[in-house]
Amino acid sequence: GDSVTQMEGPVTLSEEAFLTINCTYTATGYPSLFWYVQYPGEGLQLLLKATKADDKGSNKGFEATYRKETTSFHLEKGSVQVSDSAVYFCALGAGGTSYGKLTFGQGTILTVHP
Amino acid sequence: DTEVTQTPKHLVMGMTNKKSLKCEQHMGHRAMYWYKQKAKKPPELMFVYSYEKLSINESVPSRFSPECPNSSLLNLHLHALQPEDSALYLCASSQERQGSANIQYFGAGTRLSVL
Repeated sequence: GDSVTQMEGPVTLSEEAFLTINCTYTATGYPSLFWYVQYPGEGLQLLLKATKADDKGSNKGFEATYRKETTSFHLEKGSVQVSDSAVYFCALGAGGTSYGKLTFGQGTILTVHP
Repeated sequence: DTEVTQTPKHLVMGMTNKKSLKCEQHMGHRAMYWYKQKAKKPPELMFVYSYEKLSINESVPSRFSPECPNSSLLNLHLHALQPEDSALYLCASSQERQGSANIQYFGAGTRLSVL
């Protein structure tokens, strides 16, 4: 079945540091890939998405590229802020008989210190 | 507007109580979802409705009963819950169920405590 493996956390960085959160996936067919962010006490917000190989999703300084050859969708940001502290989930949207299902990674807790 | 509204925000109930969670969206989405999220874990899919019909039930115990009265509204009826059912319950919606590129928009959730 489909699966998403996400870099275990927690990750602690200083403000303005470079961020990478690794995400790899296993899927049949042509999935879409997403990064969702969950701030404390809130629901999930879509951060960015990519629907086909070599697509780059970007939003709020975050970027991720859909790499079919390495089955990866790593999240990067050049300079993190304290306000980026949250839990980040990599997710896969499947096709085929699994329409409507998102498969999530385990989540990575990011804490950014001033 | 990409808002999914969930009420109540917090709910405390005893094991013999009956309560309901409510979810509303006005984006014209035709697919709606219930997820359960335990602390420090990813959301787990419970139910999917497509065009107001239940299309996926992830083997959820019958003490959880979903209902979709119309295309904008999704309820989750709770009865005889167990303490281990305490969690954050998230609702989401998307334009359609089919299509892997469909974006799911999430509400802020209802934090449920079962005593």
